[in-house]
Amino acid sequence: GQQLNQSPQSMFIQEGEDVSMNCTSSSIFNTWLWYKQEPGEGPVLLIALYKAGELTSNGRLTAQFGITRKDSFLNISASIPSDVGIYFCAGHSSGNTPLVFGKGTRLSVIA
Amino acid sequence: DSGVTQTPKHLITATGQRVTLRCSPRSGDLSVYWYQQSLDQGLQFLIQYYNGEERAKGNILERFSAQQFPDLHSELNLSSLELGDSALYFCASSRTTPSYEQYFGPGTRLTVT
Repeated sequence: GQQLNQSPQSMFIQEGEDVSMNCTSSSIFNTWLWYKQEPGEGPVLLIALYKAGELTSNGRLTAQFGITRKDSFLNISASIPSDVGIYFCAGHSSGNTPLVFGKGTRLSVIA
Repeated sequence: DSGVTQTPKHLITATGQRVTLRCSPRSGDLSVYWYQQSLDQGLQFLIQYYNGEERAKGNILERFSAQQFPDLHSELNLSSLELGDSALYFCASSRTTPSYEQYFGPGTRLTVT
């Protein structure tokens, strides 16, 4: 089946640093989404991308839909302690097929 | 708070038993999705219901079943439980189908001993 590869698996960064993570697939997706999950909670939708090449921001977060439709990137600028969590990418191909999730990037921020 | 509620929050049971997990979607959402999250497999889609009807099925085991009721709440039934069924089970909801913007509940942590 379809798989999404997220990298890196985990990151330890200093507060104030910028963060980049990405998600790649061997298949084409028509929609890319980024979710964040904090301990004991369900994933929360951060950004949705619907068009190849699209660049969308949500506060300090910026995500891009790769032009090949096989990848997406998430950047976090000026990280703060509350950015800690697991960031998941998810892709949707077509019709009523379900979302496919990556295995997540675990972000730790050192104050 | 996403507006999606799930009960119970934690469940501990023995192998061979049967449990029922419950989900109430956000007000106005017609679609409910169930996911299983384990440490090594990430989020795996199980099944989707839309307005009471099954719409999509993922890698859901035959021992698992679900339904969506007229008031739109959904239940996931897990039977003949095995140790490997220990995981977090999430419910998500969306306004329409297909919808990629899904809102997740807080999850039910199932531990099978």
